[in-house]
Amino acid sequence: GENVEQHPSTLSVQEGDSAVIKCTYSDSASNYFPWYKQELGKGPQLIIDIRSNVGEKKDQRIAVTLNKTAKHFSLHITETQPEDSAVYFCAASRKGNNRLAFGKGNQVVVIP
Amino acid sequence: EAGVAQSPRYKIIEKRQSVAFWCNPISGHATLYWYQQILGQGPKLLIQFQNNGVVDDSQLPKDRFSAERLKGVDSTLKIQPAKLEDSAVYLCASSPLRGAGANVLTFGAGSRLTVL
Repeated sequence: GENVEQHPSTLSVQEGDSAVIKCTYSDSASNYFPWYKQELGKGPQLIIDIRSNVGEKKDQRIAVTLNKTAKHFSLHITETQPEDSAVYFCAASRKGNNRLAFGKGNQVVVIP
Repeated sequence: EAGVAQSPRYKIIEKRQSVAFWCNPISGHATLYWYQQILGQGPKLLIQFQNNGVVDDSQLPKDRFSAERLKGVDSTLKIQPAKLEDSAVYLCASSPLRGAGANVLTFGAGSRLTVL
C-alpha cells in the first residue's frame, strides 16, 4: 500500500518567517495530495490539496507544490502567525479511491 | 452546516472491557470513515462505509473491532475486548459521494480512549 513520509518532524519558525514541510510518497498511482491541519483536541481539517495534473496551488498564505517525478510534495506557509502553530499531516490517495494514507505529522511552532 | 458529531469525547476502561463510539456525519454525506490515531502518529483508516455498505475494512482488527452503519446515517464502532494498544483517538470523518468534494474528508473532534 501507499507509504507517506514527512520531514522534519518538528519545525520552529519566527513569526513572520516562512515554513516549508516536505512529504514523500511511494505509490506512483497516487493522484490526490491533501494537507490537513490538526490543532490540540480537534480533528484534522483540510487546508489545501492538489491533484497530480497540477504542479502548484496557492491559497492566500499557503501553497502546495508537487513533483511527480521525485514523488514528493511540499506545504509552504508564508508570513507565519501564532495561529499557524499546529500539527500538519500530508496524505495521498489513488484515483477512484478515497482511502487516504497519512504521514506521521509535522509539529510547527511559530515563535512570537 | 453542522459538523461531524462524535461521542463520547473521552473514555477510560480496563483492558478486556468493551467500549462503543458513536458518530453522526454531515447531513447528506454518503461516505463515512473511522480512523485510529495513536499518539504521535497520523490517522490510520479502520473502515470506510458508503451508505450502509462496507467499502474497505482491510485494516480493521476484526477479532475485536466491529462497526456498523445500519441506516446509512450514523455509525457505531465497538471494541471488545479492549487491549492496552487500543489506546488512541478514534476519529470519524465523512465526505460526499460525488463531485469535487468527494475527496475532502471532514473530521469530527474524535473520541479519546485510554485502556488501563
